[in-house]
Amino acid sequence: AQSVSQHNHHVILSEAASLELGCNYSYGGTVNLFWYVQYPGQHLQLLLKYFSGDPLVKGIKGFEAEFIKSKFSFNLRKPSVQWSDTAEYFCAVRGNTGGFKTIFGAGTRLFVKA
Amino acid sequence: NAGVMQNPRHLVRRRGQEARLRCSPMKGHSHVYWYRQLPEEGLKFMVYLQKENIIDESGMPKERFSAEFPKEGPSILRIQQVVRGDSAAYFCASSSEQGPGDEQFFGPGTRLTVL
Repeated sequence: AQSVSQHNHHVILSEAASLELGCNYSYGGTVNLFWYVQYPGQHLQLLLKYFSGDPLVKGIKGFEAEFIKSKFSFNLRKPSVQWSDTAEYFCAVRGNTGGFKTIFGAGTRLFVKA
Repeated sequence: NAGVMQNPRHLVRRRGQEARLRCSPMKGHSHVYWYRQLPEEGLKFMVYLQKENIIDESGMPKERFSAEFPKEGPSILRIQQVVRGDSAAYFCASSSEQGPGDEQFFGPGTRLTVL
Protein backbone atom coordinates (compact mmCIF):
# COMPACT_ATOMS: atom_id res chain seq x y z
CA ALA A 1 0.00 0.00 0.00
CA GLN A 2 1.12 3.54 -0.69
CA SER A 3 2.18 5.38 2.43
CA VAL A 4 4.34 8.18 3.72
CA SER A 5 5.98 8.06 7.11
CA GLN A 6 7.35 11.09 8.92
CA HIS A 7 9.59 10.08 11.75
CA ASN A 8 8.93 12.84 14.24
CA HIS A 9 5.60 14.35 15.12
CA HIS A 10 7.08 17.18 17.18
CA VAL A 11 10.51 18.79 17.02
CA ILE A 12 11.77 21.61 19.21
CA LEU A 13 14.96 23.45 18.25
CA SER A 14 16.75 26.62 19.23
CA GLU A 15 17.46 29.28 16.65
CA ALA A 16 20.54 28.57 14.52
CA ALA A 17 20.30 24.84 15.12
CA SER A 18 20.36 22.55 12.12
CA LEU A 19 17.19 20.79 11.06
CA GLU A 20 16.56 17.44 9.47
CA LEU A 21 13.05 16.04 9.17
CA GLY A 22 12.79 12.45 8.08
CA CYS A 23 10.41 11.17 5.43
CA ASN A 24 10.14 7.65 4.06
CA TYR A 25 7.63 6.44 1.55
CA SER A 26 6.26 3.21 0.24
CA TYR A 27 5.18 3.33 -3.38
CA GLY A 28 5.56 0.96 -6.30
CA GLY A 29 6.96 2.82 -9.26
CA THR A 30 8.40 6.18 -10.09
CA VAL A 31 7.36 8.97 -7.77
CA ASN A 32 7.27 12.68 -7.40
CA LEU A 33 8.05 13.97 -3.94
CA PHE A 34 7.02 17.14 -2.18
CA TRP A 35 7.47 19.02 1.05
CA TYR A 36 4.72 21.40 2.08
CA VAL A 37 4.74 23.83 4.99
CA GLN A 38 1.81 25.23 6.91
CA TYR A 39 2.58 28.29 9.01
CA PRO A 40 0.20 29.00 11.89
CA GLY A 41 -3.10 30.19 10.54
CA GLN A 42 -2.02 29.96 6.91
CA HIS A 43 -2.50 27.72 3.89
CA LEU A 44 -0.28 24.85 2.93
CA GLN A 45 2.52 26.11 0.72
CA LEU A 46 4.93 24.17 -1.42
CA LEU A 47 8.50 24.26 -0.06
CA LEU A 48 10.12 22.15 -2.73
CA LYS A 49 9.52 19.23 -5.04
CA TYR A 50 11.43 16.51 -6.81
CA PHE A 51 10.40 14.75 -9.98
CA SER A 52 13.62 14.04 -11.86
CA GLY A 53 17.25 15.05 -12.20
CA ASP A 54 19.48 16.11 -9.36
CA PRO A 55 18.33 14.29 -6.23
CA LEU A 56 19.34 17.25 -4.09
CA VAL A 57 16.56 19.77 -4.39
CA LYS A 58 16.70 23.36 -3.23
CA GLY A 59 13.54 25.06 -2.09
CA ILE A 60 12.40 28.36 -0.70
CA LYS A 61 13.65 29.92 2.53
CA GLY A 62 16.90 27.97 2.57
CA PHE A 63 15.36 24.52 2.72
CA GLU A 64 16.64 21.57 0.77
CA ALA A 65 15.79 17.90 0.49
CA GLU A 66 17.63 14.87 -0.78
CA PHE A 67 15.96 12.02 -2.60
CA ILE A 68 17.68 8.72 -1.84
CA LYS A 69 15.98 6.15 -4.01
CA SER A 70 17.62 3.14 -2.37
CA LYS A 71 16.30 4.20 1.00
CA PHE A 72 12.91 5.44 -0.21
CA SER A 73 13.65 8.64 1.64
CA PHE A 74 13.23 12.35 1.03
CA ASN A 75 14.52 14.11 4.13
CA LEU A 76 14.15 17.84 4.57
CA ARG A 77 17.08 19.89 5.83
CA LYS A 78 17.99 23.41 6.77
CA PRO A 79 21.43 24.34 8.14
CA SER A 80 20.23 27.05 10.50
CA VAL A 81 16.63 27.48 11.55
CA GLN A 82 14.93 30.71 12.49
CA TRP A 83 12.05 31.42 14.80
CA SER A 84 9.94 32.13 11.72
CA ASP A 85 10.36 28.50 10.61
CA THR A 86 7.94 27.45 13.34
CA ALA A 87 5.29 25.58 11.37
CA GLU A 88 3.99 22.16 10.45
CA TYR A 89 5.80 20.33 7.66
CA PHE A 90 4.24 17.68 5.46
CA CYS A 91 6.01 15.25 3.19
CA ALA A 92 3.96 13.98 0.22
CA VAL A 93 4.37 11.53 -2.64
CA ARG A 94 2.60 11.22 -5.97
CA GLY A 95 2.95 8.52 -8.61
CA ASN A 96 4.55 9.55 -11.85
CA THR A 97 2.30 7.68 -14.21
CA GLY A 98 -1.44 8.01 -14.51
CA GLY A 99 -1.49 9.29 -10.99
CA PHE A 100 -2.72 12.42 -9.43
CA LYS A 101 -3.44 11.12 -5.93
CA THR A 102 -1.02 12.72 -3.52
CA ILE A 103 -0.34 10.81 -0.33
CA PHE A 104 0.61 12.94 2.67
CA GLY A 105 2.52 12.08 5.78
CA ALA A 106 1.07 12.88 9.19
CA GLY A 107 3.17 16.02 9.50
CA THR A 108 5.91 17.24 11.81
CA ARG A 109 5.32 20.22 14.04
CA LEU A 110 8.47 22.27 14.38
CA PHE A 111 8.83 24.81 17.17
CA VAL A 112 11.86 27.05 17.08
CA LYS A 113 12.76 28.80 20.30
CA ALA A 114 14.00 32.36 19.95
CA ASN B 1 -2.16 30.46 -1.60
CA ALA B 2 -4.82 33.13 -1.53
CA GLY B 3 -5.90 32.21 -5.05
CA VAL B 4 -7.87 29.15 -3.93
CA MET B 5 -10.93 30.24 -2.00
CA GLN B 6 -12.91 28.11 0.38
CA ASN B 7 -16.02 28.99 2.27
CA PRO B 8 -17.13 28.94 4.87
CA ARG B 9 -13.93 28.89 6.90
CA HIS B 10 -15.77 27.48 9.89
CA LEU B 11 -18.97 25.47 9.83
CA VAL B 12 -20.90 24.12 12.77
CA ARG B 13 -23.58 21.53 12.24
CA ARG B 14 -25.68 19.32 14.48
CA ARG B 15 -25.79 15.60 13.90
CA GLY B 16 -28.09 14.73 11.04
CA GLN B 17 -27.79 18.06 9.24
CA GLU B 18 -26.16 18.63 5.89
CA ALA B 19 -22.83 20.37 5.34
CA ARG B 20 -21.89 22.08 2.08
CA LEU B 21 -18.32 23.14 1.56
CA ARG B 22 -17.34 25.31 -1.37
CA CYS B 23 -14.09 25.67 -3.24
CA SER B 24 -13.24 28.15 -5.95
CA PRO B 25 -10.01 27.12 -7.68
CA MET B 26 -7.37 29.51 -8.86
CA LYS B 27 -8.16 31.30 -12.06
CA GLY B 28 -7.36 29.08 -15.01
CA HIS B 29 -7.25 25.89 -12.96
CA SER B 30 -9.53 23.09 -14.02
CA HIS B 31 -8.35 20.38 -11.62
CA VAL B 32 -9.72 20.29 -8.09
CA TYR B 33 -8.83 17.98 -5.21
CA TRP B 34 -10.46 17.58 -1.83
CA TYR B 35 -8.60 16.39 1.26
CA ARG B 36 -9.63 15.78 4.83
CA GLN B 37 -7.39 16.34 7.82
CA LEU B 38 -8.22 14.78 11.14
CA PRO B 39 -6.45 15.94 14.32
CA GLU B 40 -2.85 14.71 14.50
CA GLU B 41 -3.10 13.19 11.04
CA GLY B 42 -1.95 14.21 7.61
CA LEU B 43 -4.18 15.12 4.73
CA LYS B 44 -6.16 12.23 3.33
CA PHE B 45 -7.14 12.35 -0.31
CA MET B 46 -10.87 12.23 -0.91
CA VAL B 47 -11.70 13.07 -4.51
CA TYR B 48 -10.28 14.51 -7.71
CA LEU B 49 -12.48 16.38 -10.15
CA GLN B 50 -12.20 18.18 -13.41
CA LYS B 51 -14.93 20.40 -14.75
CA GLU B 52 -18.18 18.42 -14.72
CA ASN B 53 -16.35 15.13 -14.14
CA ILE B 54 -15.35 13.08 -11.15
CA ILE B 55 -12.05 11.50 -12.07
CA ASP B 56 -11.32 9.58 -8.89
CA GLU B 57 -13.38 9.35 -5.74
CA SER B 58 -11.55 6.42 -4.22
CA GLY B 59 -10.95 8.35 -1.00
CA MET B 60 -14.57 9.30 -0.46
CA PRO B 61 -16.68 7.43 2.07
CA LYS B 62 -19.23 5.37 0.19
CA GLU B 63 -22.22 6.95 1.87
CA ARG B 64 -23.30 10.48 2.71
CA PHE B 65 -20.42 12.17 0.87
CA SER B 66 -20.59 13.57 -2.63
CA ALA B 67 -18.68 16.11 -4.69
CA GLU B 68 -19.26 18.06 -7.83
CA PHE B 69 -17.48 20.60 -9.97
CA PRO B 70 -20.00 22.16 -12.31
CA LYS B 71 -19.23 23.95 -15.51
CA GLU B 72 -19.98 27.24 -13.79
CA GLY B 73 -19.35 27.97 -10.15
CA PRO B 74 -17.33 26.45 -7.36
CA SER B 75 -16.69 22.85 -6.51
CA ILE B 76 -18.97 21.58 -3.76
CA LEU B 77 -18.26 18.89 -1.20
CA ARG B 78 -21.53 17.79 0.33
CA ILE B 79 -21.91 15.74 3.49
CA GLN B 80 -25.38 14.54 4.30
CA GLN B 81 -26.58 13.55 7.75
CA VAL B 82 -23.34 14.55 9.42
CA VAL B 83 -21.98 12.60 12.38
CA ARG B 84 -19.42 13.61 14.99
CA GLY B 85 -16.72 11.69 13.17
CA ASP B 86 -17.05 14.05 10.23
CA SER B 87 -15.54 16.84 12.31
CA ALA B 88 -12.30 17.73 10.57
CA ALA B 89 -10.58 20.30 8.41
CA TYR B 90 -11.43 19.94 4.74
CA PHE B 91 -8.93 21.33 2.27
CA CYS B 92 -9.36 21.98 -1.38
CA ALA B 93 -6.48 22.28 -3.83
CA SER B 94 -6.33 23.11 -7.50
CA SER B 95 -3.84 22.75 -10.30
CA SER B 96 -3.64 23.91 -13.87
CA GLU B 97 -2.47 20.64 -15.32
CA GLN B 98 -2.34 17.03 -14.30
CA GLY B 99 1.17 15.90 -14.84
CA PRO B 100 4.08 14.73 -12.77
CA GLY B 101 5.35 17.38 -10.46
CA ASP B 102 2.51 19.83 -11.03
CA GLU B 103 1.97 21.91 -7.96
CA GLN B 104 -1.31 21.84 -6.17
CA PHE B 105 -2.29 25.14 -4.61
CA PHE B 106 -4.23 24.83 -1.40
CA GLY B 107 -7.06 26.83 0.01
CA PRO B 108 -7.33 27.86 3.67
CA GLY B 109 -9.62 24.99 4.54
CA THR B 110 -13.04 24.67 6.10
CA ARG B 111 -13.17 23.51 9.68
CA LEU B 112 -16.30 21.48 10.21
CA THR B 113 -17.51 20.88 13.74
CA VAL B 114 -20.38 18.50 14.32
CA LEU B 115 -22.12 18.92 17.64
